Amino acid sequence: SQTIHQWPATLVQPVGSPLSLECTVEGTSNPNLYWYRQAAGRGLQLLFYSVGIGQISSEVPQNLSASRPQDRQFILSSKKLLLSDSGFYLCAWERAYEQYFGPGTRLTVT
Amino acid sequence: AQSVTQLDSQVPVFEEAPVELRCNYSSSVSVYLFWYVQYPNQGLQLLLKYLSGSTLVKGINGFEAEFNKSQTSLHLRKPSVHISDTAEYFCAVSKNTGGFKTIFGAGTRLFVKA
Repeated sequence: SQTIHQWPATLVQPVGSPLSLECTVEGTSNPNLYWYRQAAGRGLQLLFYSVGIGQISSEVPQNLSASRPQDRQFILSSKKLLLSDSGFYLCAWERAYEQYFGPGTRLTVT
Repeated sequence: AQSVTQLDSQVPVFEEAPVELRCNYSSSVSVYLFWYVQYPNQGLQLLLKYLSGSTLVKGINGFEAEFNKSQTSLHLRKPSVHISDTAEYFCAVSKNTGGFKTIFGAGTRLFVKA
């Protein structure tokens, strides 16, 4: 069966510090991968999606970036965090239009 | 472009009462429709999906939804809710754009009271 992992589960970082969130998928190959952000009490905002290794599409211009160094690994990064980057970050993979979400990372920028 | 509107941001309901969560969408092409549920501090999980065929769709946890093409809606229903159904519910729409991007609604918070 397929599983999706995200780490860390929670993170508290000061403004201006770098960020690296990791997402890995097991049990499937060449999945479409997604990063979403969910601000407190808000819906999901699509940040990036990837249809293959090294192929990244950005939905929202901001200080975040994404990379896909391996088929089942998706990384969300920032060189300098802003207060507005706080939120719940969700990674997802897709099969037949259905999305399967990871447990999420709660990021608090202080 | 597609869009999704969830008409209620919060729905309080008593335990064992029926509930309906409303979702309308807008699209110039055919779409696939989904309902996801999110329990506190967790990721989303699929409740049900409408791709084609029968307009009545059965999902997990006793939920079902009815697709209405003329009203461009996929309202979610459950005849009798439990305390454990308290969660955030998201309606979503997807079409094939070469990346299978899915657009999510803003969510409806279902709060089941004893």
